[in-house]
Amino acid sequence: EDKVVQSPLSLVVHEGDTVTLNCSYEVTNFRSLLWYKQEKKAPTFLFMLTSSGIEKKSGRLSSILDKKELFSILNITATQTGDSAIYLCAVGRYGQNFVFGPGTRLSVLP
Amino acid sequence: EPEVTQTPSHQVTQMGQEVILRCVPISNHLYFYWYRQILGQKVEFLVSFYNNEISEKSEIFDDQFSVERPDGSNFTLKIRSTKLEDSAMYFCASSVQGAAGEQYFGPGTRLTVT
Repeated sequence: EDKVVQSPLSLVVHEGDTVTLNCSYEVTNFRSLLWYKQEKKAPTFLFMLTSSGIEKKSGRLSSILDKKELFSILNITATQTGDSAIYLCAVGRYGQNFVFGPGTRLSVLP
Repeated sequence: EPEVTQTPSHQVTQMGQEVILRCVPISNHLYFYWYRQILGQKVEFLVSFYNNEISEKSEIFDDQFSVERPDGSNFTLKIRSTKLEDSAMYFCASSVQGAAGEQYFGPGTRLTVT
C-alpha cells in the first residue's frame, strides 16, 4: 500500500529559528510531490517537485526532492509566528490520485 | 487570481438526509477531486474526475456518494443518506494536469451531521 510519512508530527520553535520538515514516501508510479500549508481551513499550495536535486524556493521557504532516497524536505528560515500551521506533503502518482501524509504541526512562538 | 470556490461554507443536516456540496473549479483545469478531512485527522482522498467520468475513487466513496459535473463550471458531491461519521470538512480541488500538475484546493465545506 502506498504511503507518505512526515516527521516530526509536531514541532515548537521560536521566532527566528530555522526548521526542516521531512516527508518520505513509498509509492508506485511516482509522478510528483507537493507541499501545502494548512492554517485554519484549506491547504494552500506551496511547491511542486518532480525532479531530484532541484531546489524550489519562495522567500524564506525552500524545498528539495531526492527520488533515490524517496524523500523531500521543506526548509523554513527565520521563522515567524505567521508560519505556524500544519504542513502537508502529498505525492501524486501516474494515472492516479494524490496520497497525503499526516502533516507536521509547526508552532512558532514569539 | 483564479481560485476554486465551494458552497456552502457550512452545512448542518440530520442523519439520513441528502446533501449536495458544490464546487466551481478553476476554469482551465481538467482534473477535479473531492477530499475530506475529519477534525484533527489527515486529508483523505474520496474521488477524482476527468473527462466527465470518475477516474478513481477510494474505499470511502461507497454507493452513498456520487459526483456530477452538471454544466461546464460546477462540480458536485452528493451524499444520499448522511451518517454521523460523514461529519467532516470536504475539500474540492482542481488541477490542470492531474498528478503532473499543481493542485489547488477550495476553502472547504464543513458538514455537520446531527
